[in-house]
Amino acid sequence: GAGVSQSPSNKVTEKGKDVELRCDPISGHTALYWYRQRLGQGLEFLIYFQGNSAPDKSGLPSDRFSAERTGESVSTLTIQRTQQEDSAVYLCASSPWDYYNEQFFGPGTRLTVL
Amino acid sequence: GQNIDQPTEMTATEGAIVQINCTYQTSGFNGLFWYQQHAGEAPTFLSYNVLDGLEEKGRFSSFLSRSKGYSYLLLKELQMKDSASYLCAVRRNTDKLIFGTGTRLQVFP
Repeated sequence: GAGVSQSPSNKVTEKGKDVELRCDPISGHTALYWYRQRLGQGLEFLIYFQGNSAPDKSGLPSDRFSAERTGESVSTLTIQRTQQEDSAVYLCASSPWDYYNEQFFGPGTRLTVL
Repeated sequence: GQNIDQPTEMTATEGAIVQINCTYQTSGFNGLFWYQQHAGEAPTFLSYNVLDGLEEKGRFSSFLSRSKGYSYLLLKELQMKDSASYLCAVRRNTDKLIFGTGTRLQVFP
């Protein structure tokens, strides 16, 4: 079956531009997570959705970052006025929200801000 | 707050056994996950522990001691393809995972 997909796979942008990253979770997965991974580092939690609601936005680094989810399906992460420190791989994961709650990761979007 | 510690790098020889440790401090502990991540790829699930003890799955085993805030991932009969980063992640309450920085394992022939 189809896994988590993300687009674009690579994005190069200029400092100050806005970018939008997309995540398509596994069908039927109610929970969706966004993480950021800088080169050689671990995963940094950004935000998670249960359905279309975001109970925990505590990881968003600044008000330049926002995310939404519609139809309990696709999610977009938007970064406004990008900065060089935003350069990272942005990973999306989804989960069926049962007790086990294993997260299935997408391939990520590599963002480079010049 | 929360804090998860793992060694940064480890090396081992093909066919050997390696143990990757993870210590954590967190409120609302509700399970510990291990993920494997090959360079340039997404993390993939390896194991899950919520009760104390050892969970065995083929060549991989994971151990948890909640009272000590300690887990380890044991890899047996190492293969070259096991060269990857191993991420320890703690679930808080019923939702998000807090990841450690990962342990980069290099397996030599």
